[in-house]
Amino acid sequence: DTGVSQNPRHKITKRGQNVTFRCDPISEHNRLYWYRQTLGQGPEFLTYFQNEAQLEKSRLLSDRFSAERPKGSFSTLEIQRTEQGDSAMYLCASSLDYGLAGVRSYNEQFFGPGTRLTVL
Amino acid sequence: LAKTTQPISMDSYEGQEVNITCSHNNIATNDYITWYQQFPSQGPRFIIQGYKTKVTNEVASLFIPADRKSSTLSLPRVSLSDTAVYYCLVVLSGSARQLTFGSGTQLTVLP
Repeated sequence: DTGVSQNPRHKITKRGQNVTFRCDPISEHNRLYWYRQTLGQGPEFLTYFQNEAQLEKSRLLSDRFSAERPKGSFSTLEIQRTEQGDSAMYLCASSLDYGLAGVRSYNEQFFGPGTRLTVL
Repeated sequence: LAKTTQPISMDSYEGQEVNITCSHNNIATNDYITWYQQFPSQGPRFIIQGYKTKVTNEVASLFIPADRKSSTLSLPRVSLSDTAVYYCLVVLSGSARQLTFGSGTQLTVLP
């Protein structure tokens, strides 16, 4: 299976601890996105990368959150000093940007299964 | 980004056709209408995308009237496995820097 993978699938931590999640996108995809989803709501955008460059960050991404994609392949999302309000499903997605020369009108995002974070 | 409005929930029975309507009154010229499906404990999955008139693939059909202020996702002959949340999104052509999801429509298919 060459889909998007995320690890771990579940993480339980105590308030104040740091956590790190990993996302492995589809190999040829140059865009990678992070979303957060709480119960009963749709996913909310956090940040995205074009190759290794982080191009956009949501206001939801507080100073305690940091994301990296050092070699333009996998990405990590770290949350420092976790709070109970950080409890959510963290979703990663990837897509292939065809650029100006591309013929597709939309670059579909492929989502991973998510990492469910519970902060006690 | 154009805001979308869709019903919170819908029930249907196996074998029936289900139509989920979404309104997007402020859709811009270069926006596309896109639908995603999400099962519990999984990430959303792309279903279909269209700009105008009708689009059909192996999973669903998408109907978009001339004014493009609304769209209808049609699922033919649903089964229990189609129970999921369906999201209607408006996406700027060629951009897709981010997807803006609403709360979606919870479709429950009953036996």
